[in-house]
This record gives sequence, structure tokens and C-alpha cells, in this order.
Amino acid sequence: QKEVEQNSGPLSVPEGAIASLNCTYSDRGSQSFFWYRQYSGKSPELIMSIYSNGDKEDGRFTAQLNKASQYVSLLIRDSQPSDSATYLCAVNKRDDKIIFGKGTRLHILP
Amino acid sequence: DGGITQSPKYLFRKEGQNVTLSCEQNLNHDAMYWYRQDPGQGLRLIYYSQIVNDFQKGDIAEGYSVSREKKESFPLTVTSAQKNPTAFYLCASSRQGGGYEQYFGPGTRLTVT
Repeated sequence: QKEVEQNSGPLSVPEGAIASLNCTYSDRGSQSFFWYRQYSGKSPELIMSIYSNGDKEDGRFTAQLNKASQYVSLLIRDSQPSDSATYLCAVNKRDDKIIFGKGTRLHILP
Repeated sequence: DGGITQSPKYLFRKEGQNVTLSCEQNLNHDAMYWYRQDPGQGLRLIYYSQIVNDFQKGDIAEGYSVSREKKESFPLTVTSAQKNPTAFYLCASSRQGGGYEQYFGPGTRLTVT
């Protein structure tokens, strides 16, 4: 099992709809979870951090964490063309390194 | 403005030459990291440092070297021993190692021919 797994996509979502991005991880001892957005040719930009089970909302973004299922997701409400990017899930391991998934490409259809 | 700078943005070298990539941060972060990103691949950790004058190998350290003489600076040297050096190199920093958010610089795209 990969340490951090994401569907590579592309995930196509109509403008104005909700985009749902998912991530699973293998280290049950992980405590910190992050979502990054990466535009083509640019560096990753942190958009959300989550540490506790449940939902965390920030503007149009909601991160959801379920440690029992080893699952973290990112919802983007009212999707805009500018949300088209690759979204990287990152999880810390018990040795304190952070492991990045390969990312999900999101395409918002105008 | 606080942030992480990397220079140069693009770098071209001939095979067999060593090259050093610069990374500077003014966020007062203790930990700094170097990653490599190849098309279709995730970020792979090359080296990291949690404190000045100390650093550890990541998953793909062969052919690379680093130094951490100052808290603000963490340069990466790509040596001629690195078999496939052409890649996008990303530097990041965080307050401490481990569970804290990492913030990335703009990256250096290295092409070796």
C-alpha cells in the first residue's frame, strides 16, 4: 500500500459545483494532514491544515479528516476556473517526515 | 515580506558539472527541506535539516550534497554523480521538523544536457 494515495485524475467539475478530492494514508500514527495546490510550472501552495477528526472550513474550502478510516478529503465549493490545478495531499509519519501524494489534477469546466 | 527565495529560476548545465542551487528564508524557521519533482511524480525528499550545522539524508540523497551554516540558508549541490539531474527542485521550510506546515519557495528548474 502506498503511504499517501490519491486518484491522479483528471477530475472534471462544472463551474459552480462542488469539487471533492480524496486521499488515503497508511501510517495509522499520523497526526498532521495538509492540502496543497500546485499550478502548472509553479511550486505547491499550502491551502489547508487539519489535525483533528471532523471538518475544518476556510472560505470555499473544507477539509475532512477520518483517522479511523485513514482518509482525508478536500471539498471546494462554488468551483471557479482558477481552482484548476493539481492538489497534493501531505501526511506526516510517526518519524516526523511529511509524505506527499502524487496529486489529483482538477479541471473546472467553464 | 517574509518568504522563501530560490535562485536561479532556470538553470542549464552540461553533464559532468556540479551545480549549486540557492535557498534562503526569512521566516525564522528552524527546519528546511529539499525536494525533487519529476513529471507525473510526487515530491521526493532529498535532504532536510532541523537545525543549523545538522542535516539528514532523505529518500534520494545519492548524488546530492547540502550545507546548513546559517539558519536562513540551505544550499543544495547537484553533483556529477547524480544520474538524472534534470528536474524541478523545490526548497521548503517549517517552524520545526515533522508535523508543522511546510512552505515552499518558487523552485528551480534544472536542465542538464
